[in-house]
Amino acid sequence: AQTVTQSQPEMSVQEAETVTLSCTYDTSENNYYLFWYKQPPSRQMILVIRQEAYKQQNATENRFSVNFQKAAKSFSLKISDSQLGDTAMYFCAFMIVNFGNEKLTFGTGTRLTIIP
Amino acid sequence: NAGVTQTPKFQVLKTGQSMTLQCAQDMNHNSMYWYRQDPGMGLRLIHYSVGAGITDQGEVPNGYNVSRSTTEDFPLRLLSAAPSQTSVYFCASSYSRDSGSGTQYFGPGTRLLVL
Repeated sequence: AQTVTQSQPEMSVQEAETVTLSCTYDTSENNYYLFWYKQPPSRQMILVIRQEAYKQQNATENRFSVNFQKAAKSFSLKISDSQLGDTAMYFCAFMIVNFGNEKLTFGTGTRLTIIP
Repeated sequence: NAGVTQTPKFQVLKTGQSMTLQCAQDMNHNSMYWYRQDPGMGLRLIHYSVGAGITDQGEVPNGYNVSRSTTEDFPLRLLSAAPSQTSVYFCASSYSRDSGSGTQYFGPGTRLLVL
């Protein structure tokens, strides 16, 4: 079974600073995807970024980037120039690439607060 | 496109009552999923479907039924509500074919309180 661990229940940073959220996972599979989802107070789950395990290049989306270390099974999210709208719960999630068995396994989340 | 929609937004039930949570998507996605979110536990998969007429159990299926008669709709039925089913329920969908696994897109959630 796959597991996803987010060891930082809460974090806070000043606006405009950079913050890194940690995520580790455990799997014996070789072909999988990793995701970061954001959940603001509205409760909507919003995709932040996605990484395919077969790609060596780290994914980036504007101010959001990941540090994917496959051997270490680590997948951290870096938010640059943090903004007040980044205040949210952030969930790391894992999916095996297997049609008919594509279930997301989530971590327990990190609550991020951006301080004005 | 409306994306993934869920109704109702909030519901209060008494123990033993039954109800159906509705989920619909207009993105022509073949796969649909139901998750529940409890404090401190992240999201856990209840049931999922990879196409009309095909459903399977997730991690926490007990007390819930699903069916998938159309590509667009994936209702979740609570047969006899229990206080342990108090949670926030999310529906999601994705386009998934062969090795082309898709990103899952989520609805806004349904908050359920069972008294």
